[in-house]
Amino acid sequence: DQQVKQNSPSLSVQEGRISILNCDYTNSMFDYFLWYKKYPAEGPTFLISISSIKDKNEDGRFTVFLNKSAKHLSLHIVPSQPGDSAVYFCAATPGGSNYKLTFGKGTLLTVNP
Amino acid sequence: DVKVTQSSRYLVKRTGEKVFLECVQDMDHENMFWYRQDPGLGLRLIYFSYDVKMKEKGDIPEGYSVSREKKERFSLILESASTNQTSMYLCASMWGSGNTIYFGEGSWLTVV
Repeated sequence: DQQVKQNSPSLSVQEGRISILNCDYTNSMFDYFLWYKKYPAEGPTFLISISSIKDKNEDGRFTVFLNKSAKHLSLHIVPSQPGDSAVYFCAATPGGSNYKLTFGKGTLLTVNP
Repeated sequence: DVKVTQSSRYLVKRTGEKVFLECVQDMDHENMFWYRQDPGLGLRLIYFSYDVKMKEKGDIPEGYSVSREKKERFSLILESASTNQTSMYLCASMWGSGNTIYFGEGSWLTVV
């Protein structure tokens, strides 16, 4: 049973436009969510996170939105740049004493110049 | 900056060989993890450790074991490598719970 779902395996956008990556989860115990970015042949790097007590967190060009009632979160990248082309993983954890992260399968973002 | 170092980037091993993947972190993190990444399957947790000599199975522990004799070092062991263990292996560490997890650069293992 996949608890964290990224239903779009790939996304292609034009440079300068907005990229929106979506993530759905099924476990209502999840209360902390993270996005990771991964280039080929490298380990994932942390991008941005959000706690369930918030519905939005912003860091420069990256904004994560959380809709708890819909069990849905999204990552917005504005404006998109060619260097943003990578695989993006959504991850979730119940937090507290449970430090196990559950990852989605990832979305490959391609930003075209 | 947190540094998670995986000693081997690329390995080729034969079926049946015993394989050791080593990982060291320099930030005194209690928690360490081993994941594997396969196309279309995302990151899957193999084992994690929340303290020295403590370990717990993740989602896909079969065919693997781990060792954590020192806080900074977490080893993944393939007792008898098989071709379906060809993958990218990622080590990670984290301080506390519900915090950011930091990954190493990955180890590409090919079993022939």
